[in-house]
Amino acid sequence: GENVEQHPSTLSVQEGDSAVIKCTYSDSASNYFPWYKQELGKRPQLIIDIRSNVGEKKDQRIAVTLNKTAKHFSLHITETQPEDSAVYFCAASPWGFKTIFGAGTRLFVKA
Amino acid sequence: EAQVTQNPRYLITVTGKKLTVTCSQNMNHEYMSWYRQDPGLGLRQIYYSMNVEVTDKGDVPEGYKVSRKEKRNFPLILESPSPNQTSLYFCASRDSSLDEQFFGPGTRLTVL
Repeated sequence: GENVEQHPSTLSVQEGDSAVIKCTYSDSASNYFPWYKQELGKRPQLIIDIRSNVGEKKDQRIAVTLNKTAKHFSLHITETQPEDSAVYFCAASPWGFKTIFGAGTRLFVKA
Repeated sequence: EAQVTQNPRYLITVTGKKLTVTCSQNMNHEYMSWYRQDPGLGLRQIYYSMNVEVTDKGDVPEGYKVSRKEKRNFPLILESPSPNQTSLYFCASRDSSLDEQFFGPGTRLTVL
């Protein structure tokens, strides 16, 4: 069936370094790719998203890239800060409200 | 304030005792959905609804029921809960013409 694989499951970086999280999706009909940040005990919050007709999108320290041919998309966080520590989820949406999430990446930013 | 609300926020119950988790949104969104979140598995979609009286199964619908009789409400029903339904549940809603979905605060369910 449809699935989204996310790597790594855990990522530890030094404050100020960059962090990269990668996802691969299986359904070629997927056309919307959001990224969510979830802090402990909180609900997921959308941090950036990209549609399939765009290759890259940037918002301050966060960027997302999409390679439709390879069915890969990635989240890039530059100049990481301790408050970036959280669990990050990628997702792919083939149509309507159907959404498939990756398993999540726990990011630790060490001060 | 635009929001998605869920009740109850915490629930401990026993196997076989029917329960309902309510979800309500005040943004006039057409789309609503239920997810369960388990460690190492991310969020998995249980059911979603694209409008009143229109619902469809997600990836893990077994053991759950939903109904969408009003646009603002999308309750999740567990007719006979079992311990493997112990999880953190999130409701979400979205405008049909926009991409972003908004999540409720979550309901932590424990089935003994």
